[in-house]
Order: sequence, then C-alpha cells, then structure tokens
Amino acid sequence: EEQVVESGGGLIQPGGSLRLSCAASGFSVNFNYMTWVRQAPGKGLEWVSVVDTDGTTYYADSVKGRFTISRDNSNNTLFLQMDSLTAEDTAVYYCARDQGYIYGLDVWGQGTTVTVSS
Amino acid sequence: DIQMTQSPSSLSASLGAGVTITCRASQGIRNDLGWYQQKPGKAPKRLIYAASILQSGVPSRFSGSGSGTEFTLTINSLQPEDSATYYCLQHNSYPYTFGQGTKLEIK
Repeated sequence: EEQVVESGGGLIQPGGSLRLSCAASGFSVNFNYMTWVRQAPGKGLEWVSVVDTDGTTYYADSVKGRFTISRDNSNNTLFLQMDSLTAEDTAVYYCARDQGYIYGLDVWGQGTTVTVSS
Repeated sequence: DIQMTQSPSSLSASLGAGVTITCRASQGIRNDLGWYQQKPGKAPKRLIYAASILQSGVPSRFSGSGSGTEFTLTINSLQPEDSATYYCLQHNSYPYTFGQGTKLEIK
C-alpha cells in the first residue's frame, strides 16, 4: 500500500525553526514529485512547496526564502525545513505525492500540526 | 498565478437530493483539475482527477465535468457521509491553487 506519514510538528516560538518529515512507503520519493500543503485553523488548503524528480523546487510566495524542501532518497523521506516562523505559519502540514498534469495530488498523509506561539 | 474561484462557499441539501459545486480558473488549465473531500480533522481525499475521472473506490454518485476554465462537481443522491468540505485544485502550473472550499451540510 502506498502511504506517507508526517512527523516533526509541535509548538515553536516565533522566529524559531522546525523540520518536518514525511516517510513514504510503497513508492519511492526520488521517482515522484513530492509536495507540502498546509491548512491554517479553520481555513482552506494552501499549497506550500514541491520538489520534482530532478531536484527542482518551487515555493509559495508566503514561504519563499524561509522554507526549504528536500528529500533523502536512501531513507525514502521528504523534509520541510521551516525557518523564521511566524504565527501565520500555524497550520496542519500535509505531505502528498504529486502526480502532476492530469493526476494531481493522490497520496496524502494524515498531517502534522505546527503551532507558532510564544 | 492561477486563481481558482469556487462557489458556493456553503450549501445545505436534503438527503437524496443532488448538488453542484463550481470552480472557475482565471486562465485555461486544460483538464488539470481535481476535486477533494475533507472531513473535520482528516486529510483531504481525492474524489476526481483529470476533471472528470472518478478515483477508484469513490461512489458513482460523484461526478466531475469541465475543461479550460469552468469545472463542476456534482453529487447525486446525497448520503449522510457526504457531509464535508469540498475543494477543487488546479495542478496545471505552480504554484498549485485550491478553491476556497464548499462546506456541504446534509439536512
């Protein structure tokens, strides 16, 4: 079964850093585009970032320069390094496999919660 | 960036009735659109991809249509378990963008 499981969320002070992990099973992260999506409390879904199979990355303007997406092929894991966090980054963060044109985001994790507060 | 305008933001319908949710893209996205269902505290679940292809395991009362800039999700014969928030997602170009969501209540 293809699945992803996120971890690494928690309570962090404004200005702090956090690294989220997304462990994949049933497929390889290095052969797939992988994406992060977030959802602030009571709000809609917001696409955050993607890494493609060549290692090219894209970011939402709201996180550009502060977040870094990466992957560890040997451990089949996706990461999201989040720096200079603000209260506006408080959200549930979902990892998803991105099948691109036509197919979109198909495999989603259960999410990990990040709370930025003093 | 491509803007996705989804309507309505909420609706209430009776058990057994049908509803339609619409998404409009600010520019053409071919059929690179999916529909997702999200229940409280849960991850989104893909219902439809390529605008009109039903995800395996999703009941046939769900259907999608459209291409270019206008898309619809139709749910027929509403069931209690269809109470959820529904989102469209354009995956034609980065940054991907979601519609604002439609909260569906079953009366």
